[in-house]
Amino acid sequence: DAKTTQPPSMDCAEGRAANLPCNHSTISGNEYVYWYRQIHSQGPQYIIHGLKNNETNEMASLIITEDRKSSTLILPHATLRDTAVYYCIVDGGANNLFFGTGTRLTVIP
Amino acid sequence: SQTIHQWPATLVQPVGSPLSLECTVEGTSNPNLYWYRQAAGRGLQLLFYSVGIGQISSEVPQNLSASRPQDRQFILSSKKLLLSDSGFYLCAWSAYGGGTDTQYFGPGTRLTVL
Repeated sequence: DAKTTQPPSMDCAEGRAANLPCNHSTISGNEYVYWYRQIHSQGPQYIIHGLKNNETNEMASLIITEDRKSSTLILPHATLRDTAVYYCIVDGGANNLFFGTGTRLTVIP
Repeated sequence: SQTIHQWPATLVQPVGSPLSLECTVEGTSNPNLYWYRQAAGRGLQLLFYSVGIGQISSEVPQNLSASRPQDRQFILSSKKLLLSDSGFYLCAWSAYGGGTDTQYFGPGTRLTVL
Protein backbone atom coordinates (compact mmCIF):
# COMPACT_ATOMS: atom_id res chain seq x y z
CA ASP A 1 0.00 0.00 0.00
CA ALA A 2 1.13 3.54 -0.70
CA LYS A 3 1.99 5.52 2.38
CA THR A 4 1.35 9.11 3.24
CA THR A 5 3.23 11.99 4.82
CA GLN A 6 1.46 14.51 7.02
CA PRO A 7 2.72 17.26 9.33
CA PRO A 8 2.58 16.06 12.93
CA SER A 9 0.61 19.04 14.21
CA MET A 10 -1.20 22.20 13.15
CA ASP A 11 -3.10 24.99 14.84
CA CYS A 12 -6.10 26.81 13.46
CA ALA A 13 -8.10 29.73 14.82
CA GLU A 14 -11.76 29.03 15.52
CA GLY A 15 -13.94 30.10 12.61
CA ARG A 16 -11.12 30.05 10.12
CA ALA A 17 -10.52 27.44 7.44
CA ALA A 18 -8.24 24.57 8.39
CA ASN A 19 -6.14 23.27 5.51
CA LEU A 20 -4.51 19.92 6.21
CA PRO A 21 -1.94 18.74 3.65
CA CYS A 22 -0.99 15.20 2.74
CA ASN A 23 1.68 13.85 0.42
CA HIS A 24 1.15 10.48 -1.26
CA SER A 25 3.72 10.50 -4.04
CA THR A 26 3.65 6.72 -4.59
CA ILE A 27 -0.11 6.47 -5.00
CA SER A 28 -1.30 4.01 -7.64
CA GLY A 29 -3.90 4.74 -10.27
CA ASN A 30 -6.64 2.73 -8.56
CA GLU A 31 -6.03 3.97 -5.03
CA TYR A 32 -8.42 6.37 -3.39
CA VAL A 33 -7.46 9.07 -0.91
CA TYR A 34 -9.39 8.79 2.34
CA TRP A 35 -9.53 11.13 5.30
CA TYR A 36 -10.55 10.11 8.79
CA ARG A 37 -10.29 11.88 12.11
CA GLN A 38 -10.03 10.59 15.64
CA ILE A 39 -11.11 12.56 18.65
CA HIS A 40 -9.37 11.51 21.83
CA SER A 41 -10.46 8.08 23.08
CA GLN A 42 -13.01 7.58 20.31
CA GLY A 43 -13.06 5.46 17.17
CA PRO A 44 -11.94 7.07 13.90
CA GLN A 45 -14.64 8.95 12.03
CA TYR A 46 -14.85 8.88 8.25
CA ILE A 47 -14.71 12.35 6.68
CA ILE A 48 -14.37 12.13 2.92
CA HIS A 49 -12.66 10.30 0.09
CA GLY A 50 -11.82 10.86 -3.56
CA LEU A 51 -10.00 9.42 -6.54
CA LYS A 52 -9.17 12.20 -8.99
CA ASN A 53 -11.76 14.94 -8.70
CA ASN A 54 -12.20 17.35 -5.85
CA GLU A 55 -14.96 16.32 -3.46
CA THR A 56 -17.14 18.18 -0.99
CA ASN A 57 -19.58 17.01 1.63
CA GLU A 58 -21.18 18.42 4.72
CA MET A 59 -18.02 18.00 6.74
CA ALA A 60 -15.19 19.03 4.47
CA SER A 61 -13.70 19.49 1.03
CA LEU A 62 -10.96 17.39 -0.50
CA ILE A 63 -8.63 18.89 -3.07
CA ILE A 64 -6.47 16.41 -4.99
CA THR A 65 -3.67 17.66 -7.23
CA GLU A 66 -3.77 16.78 -10.90
CA ASP A 67 -0.84 14.38 -10.55
CA ARG A 68 -2.55 12.87 -7.47
CA LYS A 69 0.67 13.02 -5.48
CA SER A 70 -0.79 15.23 -2.80
CA SER A 71 -4.09 16.39 -1.39
CA THR A 72 -5.53 18.90 1.06
CA LEU A 73 -8.43 18.46 3.42
CA ILE A 74 -10.28 21.70 4.06
CA LEU A 75 -12.53 22.31 7.05
CA PRO A 76 -14.15 25.57 5.95
CA HIS A 77 -15.03 26.98 9.37
CA ALA A 78 -13.16 25.16 12.11
CA THR A 79 -14.80 24.80 15.51
CA LEU A 80 -13.39 23.64 18.82
CA ARG A 81 -15.04 20.26 18.23
CA ASP A 82 -12.83 19.79 15.17
CA THR A 83 -9.79 19.38 17.41
CA ALA A 84 -8.62 15.84 16.61
CA VAL A 85 -5.99 13.76 14.88
CA TYR A 86 -6.60 13.71 11.13
CA TYR A 87 -5.45 10.73 9.10
CA CYS A 88 -4.82 10.73 5.37
CA ILE A 89 -4.91 7.24 3.88
CA VAL A 90 -4.57 5.81 0.41
CA ASP A 91 -6.52 2.63 -0.21
CA GLY A 92 -6.86 0.34 -3.17
CA GLY A 93 -9.30 -2.07 -1.62
CA ALA A 94 -6.75 -4.28 0.07
CA ASN A 95 -8.87 -4.44 3.26
CA ASN A 96 -6.09 -2.79 5.23
CA LEU A 97 -6.38 0.91 5.85
CA PHE A 98 -2.91 2.05 6.87
CA PHE A 99 -3.30 4.67 9.56
CA GLY A 100 -0.05 6.47 10.22
CA THR A 101 0.39 9.00 12.99
CA GLY A 102 -1.70 11.69 11.29
CA THR A 103 -1.86 15.43 11.97
CA ARG A 104 -2.96 16.65 15.35
CA LEU A 105 -5.16 19.67 14.64
CA THR A 106 -5.78 22.04 17.52
CA VAL A 107 -8.49 24.64 17.04
CA ILE A 108 -7.74 27.67 19.15
CA PRO A 109 -10.53 29.89 20.54
CA SER B 1 -29.02 3.65 9.23
CA GLN B 2 -26.13 1.45 10.19
CA THR B 3 -24.66 1.37 13.68
CA ILE B 4 -21.76 -0.50 15.19
CA HIS B 5 -21.46 -1.46 18.82
CA GLN B 6 -18.53 -2.64 20.88
CA TRP B 7 -18.38 -3.83 24.44
CA PRO B 8 -17.12 -3.52 26.96
CA ALA B 9 -15.97 0.08 26.66
CA THR B 10 -13.11 -0.43 29.09
CA LEU B 11 -11.52 -3.54 30.54
CA VAL B 12 -8.74 -4.20 33.03
CA GLN B 13 -7.44 -7.74 33.02
CA PRO B 14 -4.51 -9.53 34.69
CA VAL B 15 -1.75 -11.11 32.65
CA GLY B 16 -2.62 -14.67 31.71
CA SER B 17 -6.38 -14.18 31.86
CA PRO B 18 -8.68 -14.81 28.89
CA LEU B 19 -10.23 -12.12 26.74
CA SER B 20 -13.44 -11.76 24.78
CA LEU B 21 -14.39 -8.53 23.03
CA GLU B 22 -17.58 -8.32 21.04
CA CYS B 23 -18.61 -6.24 18.07
CA THR B 24 -22.01 -6.14 16.42
CA VAL B 25 -23.31 -4.22 13.43
CA GLU B 26 -26.91 -3.23 12.79
CA GLY B 27 -28.64 -2.05 9.66
CA THR B 28 -26.61 -3.88 7.03
CA SER B 29 -26.18 -7.41 5.76
CA ASN B 30 -23.04 -9.37 4.94
CA PRO B 31 -20.62 -6.63 5.94
CA ASN B 32 -16.85 -6.92 5.88
CA LEU B 33 -15.69 -6.75 9.49
CA TYR B 34 -12.35 -5.70 10.91
CA TRP B 35 -10.45 -5.67 14.21
CA TYR B 36 -7.75 -3.04 14.71
CA ARG B 37 -5.51 -2.28 17.68
CA GLN B 38 -4.10 1.12 18.53
CA ALA B 39 -1.24 1.37 20.98
CA ALA B 40 -0.89 4.60 22.93
CA GLY B 41 0.19 7.44 20.62
CA ARG B 42 0.40 5.16 17.62
CA GLY B 43 -1.53 4.51 14.42
CA LEU B 44 -3.98 1.67 13.92
CA GLN B 45 -2.80 -1.88 13.23
CA LEU B 46 -5.14 -4.25 11.41
CA LEU B 47 -5.41 -7.53 13.31
CA PHE B 48 -8.15 -9.49 11.54
CA TYR B 49 -10.75 -9.05 8.86
CA SER B 50 -13.68 -11.14 7.75
CA VAL B 51 -15.68 -11.18 4.53
CA GLY B 52 -18.28 -13.68 5.78
CA ILE B 53 -19.38 -16.05 8.53
CA GLY B 54 -16.51 -18.27 9.57
CA GLN B 55 -14.07 -16.53 7.21
CA ILE B 56 -11.23 -14.89 9.10
CA SER B 57 -7.97 -13.48 7.75
CA SER B 58 -5.17 -12.74 10.17
CA GLU B 59 -2.82 -9.90 9.43
CA VAL B 60 -0.45 -10.17 12.36
CA PRO B 61 0.69 -13.35 14.14
CA GLN B 62 -0.01 -13.07 17.84
CA ASN B 63 -1.84 -14.68 20.72
CA LEU B 64 -5.18 -13.21 19.65
CA SER B 65 -7.85 -14.88 17.57
CA ALA B 66 -11.09 -13.77 15.96
CA SER B 67 -14.36 -15.46 15.17
CA ARG B 68 -17.50 -14.56 13.28
CA PRO B 69 -20.30 -16.78 14.53
CA GLN B 70 -23.05 -14.69 12.94
CA ASP B 71 -23.26 -12.38 9.96
CA ARG B 72 -23.06 -9.19 11.98
CA GLN B 73 -21.07 -10.37 14.99
CA PHE B 74 -17.30 -10.30 15.30
CA ILE B 75 -15.46 -11.50 18.39
CA LEU B 76 -11.85 -10.97 19.41
CA SER B 77 -10.43 -13.48 21.88
CA SER B 78 -7.33 -14.55 23.70
CA LYS B 79 -6.67 -17.55 25.91
CA LYS B 80 -3.89 -15.82 27.87
CA LEU B 81 -3.33 -12.09 27.79
CA LEU B 82 0.13 -10.55 27.67
CA LEU B 83 1.16 -7.11 28.88
CA SER B 84 1.75 -6.14 25.26
CA ASP B 85 -1.93 -6.77 24.48
CA SER B 86 -2.86 -3.52 26.19
CA GLY B 87 -4.32 -0.99 23.81
CA PHE B 88 -7.41 0.47 22.20
CA TYR B 89 -9.28 -2.14 20.18
CA LEU B 90 -11.46 -0.96 17.35
CA CYS B 91 -13.99 -2.84 15.30
CA ALA B 92 -14.99 -1.56 11.88
CA TRP B 93 -17.31 -2.56 9.07
CA SER B 94 -17.54 -1.87 5.38
CA ALA B 95 -20.11 -2.79 2.78
CA TYR B 96 -19.48 -6.16 1.14
CA GLY B 97 -18.20 -6.05 -2.40
CA GLY B 98 -14.50 -5.49 -2.26
CA GLY B 99 -12.89 -2.66 -4.13
CA THR B 100 -12.35 0.32 -1.97
CA ASP B 101 -15.13 0.75 0.53
CA THR B 102 -15.33 3.17 3.38
CA GLN B 103 -14.77 1.61 6.78
CA TYR B 104 -16.89 2.77 9.70
CA PHE B 105 -15.52 2.36 13.18
CA GLY B 106 -17.09 1.51 16.50
CA PRO B 107 -16.44 3.38 19.75
CA GLY B 108 -13.61 1.06 20.77
CA THR B 109 -12.62 -0.95 23.84
CA ARG B 110 -9.73 0.23 25.96
CA LEU B 111 -7.91 -2.80 27.35
CA THR B 112 -5.35 -2.57 30.12
CA VAL B 113 -3.42 -5.70 31.00
CA LEU B 114 -1.73 -5.55 34.41
